Amino acid sequence: KQEVTQIPAALSVPEGENLVLNCSFTDSAIYNLQWFRQDPGKGLTSLLLIQSSQREQTSGRLNASLDKSSGRSTLYIAASQPGDSATYLCAVKGNYGQNFVFGPGTRLSVLP
Amino acid sequence: EAGVAQSPRYKIIEKRQSVAFWCNPISGHATLYWYQQILGQGPKLLIQFQNNGVVDDSQLPKDRFSAERLKGVDSTLKIQPAKLEDSAVYLCASSWTDRRGGNTIYFGEGSWLTVV
Repeated sequence: KQEVTQIPAALSVPEGENLVLNCSFTDSAIYNLQWFRQDPGKGLTSLLLIQSSQREQTSGRLNASLDKSSGRSTLYIAASQPGDSATYLCAVKGNYGQNFVFGPGTRLSVLP
Repeated sequence: EAGVAQSPRYKIIEKRQSVAFWCNPISGHATLYWYQQILGQGPKLLIQFQNNGVVDDSQLPKDRFSAERLKGVDSTLKIQPAKLEDSAVYLCASSWTDRRGGNTIYFGEGSWLTVV
């Protein structure tokens, strides 16, 4: 059974810092991995989708990497802004038709 | 492009009462999901539809939860009777994906349920 963890559970950084969020999964037989953002009281917004054959994906100030063999993904946020404050969740989809398994999220606060 | 629509946004009911949530996915999306998100946790899949057929309902508590997707478009999720532990956000999502789920999932803003 796939299990997804995210460390840290919460993170506070001053504006302008570069930061890394971590996601770990127990079963490396994944089809893809997706990073989401969730603002308070809102649904989830997809940020980046990495297929199992890919090593990384970039969108603006965001870069997500995937290392299947070690069961890890990282989300790198460059030059953080207060508007980046939200909860970031990763979700893993298995190779055998299983649905996405979500991590508990990392709650990010970027202080002005 | 309109997003995933859900209603009601908020609902407070007493335990043992019933409640229903409605979802309208993005036009043309064949796959529809219902997730349950308890405060502080990641979403947990309750049921996945492909058009109007059920693909996965392995984590749906079928003694009290039911869902349908008539005509392969809108969907409703019902809870009857509700328990205190059903207090959560119920998220609807949709995607273009085939059954293997290679594409991006789009979420609605959720329906917040409090059972007292």
